[in-house]
Amino acid sequence: AQKITQTQPGMFVQEKEAVTLDCTYDTSDQSYGLFWYKQPSSGEMIFLIYQGSYDEQNATEGRYSLNFQKARKSANLVISASQLGDSAMYFCAMRETGTYKYIFGTGTRLKVLA
Amino acid sequence: EAGVAQSPRYKIIEKRQSVAFWCNPISGHATLYWYQQILGQGPKLLIQFQNNGVVDDSQLPKDRFSAERLKGVDSTLKIQPAKLEDSAVYLCASSLGQGISYEQYFGPGTRLTVT
Repeated sequence: AQKITQTQPGMFVQEKEAVTLDCTYDTSDQSYGLFWYKQPSSGEMIFLIYQGSYDEQNATEGRYSLNFQKARKSANLVISASQLGDSAMYFCAMRETGTYKYIFGTGTRLKVLA
Repeated sequence: EAGVAQSPRYKIIEKRQSVAFWCNPISGHATLYWYQQILGQGPKLLIQFQNNGVVDDSQLPKDRFSAERLKGVDSTLKIQPAKLEDSAVYLCASSLGQGISYEQYFGPGTRLTVT
């Protein structure tokens, strides 16, 4: 069954340091997409980064990179040089080819400290 | 490019009353989603449309929730009658299509409080 697990309910990081947010997934499909979204306190979900299951390179978007380990079924988000504006909830999500259904994890609340 | 529009932003109703939410997706986006996000949880998909057809409504409580997407553009989600446990943020999102690489664009959400 399709499932996303985020085991860190909350994380703290010092400004300008890097932080890794964990995400593991479960699927029986060979073709799927993995996403990370940011949800600030304002409530609007913002797309950050995408990784396809057949992509050989880890995805990067500016300060965001996705550490994709297919055999371990993990898709961790790495934020480099954290900024105060990075404080938010972060959700990992997956979409399978078979169902086209999106599912989201429970989220990790990140707090960046000055 | 205009984003996903939702209204109202906030709504307070009493239990057993009805309520409707409206969503206008990004122009050209064929796929539209309604999510329910309870405080402290991730979004839960209620219904997914491809153009004006329903792709998935397996988690929609059909005895009280209904949704439509007339003409394949904007959409309305209705709750009738509302229960206390329906208190949540209702998010609308859209994407270009159903391909696995298509990211979703979200609206600001409607915060519903049922008293």
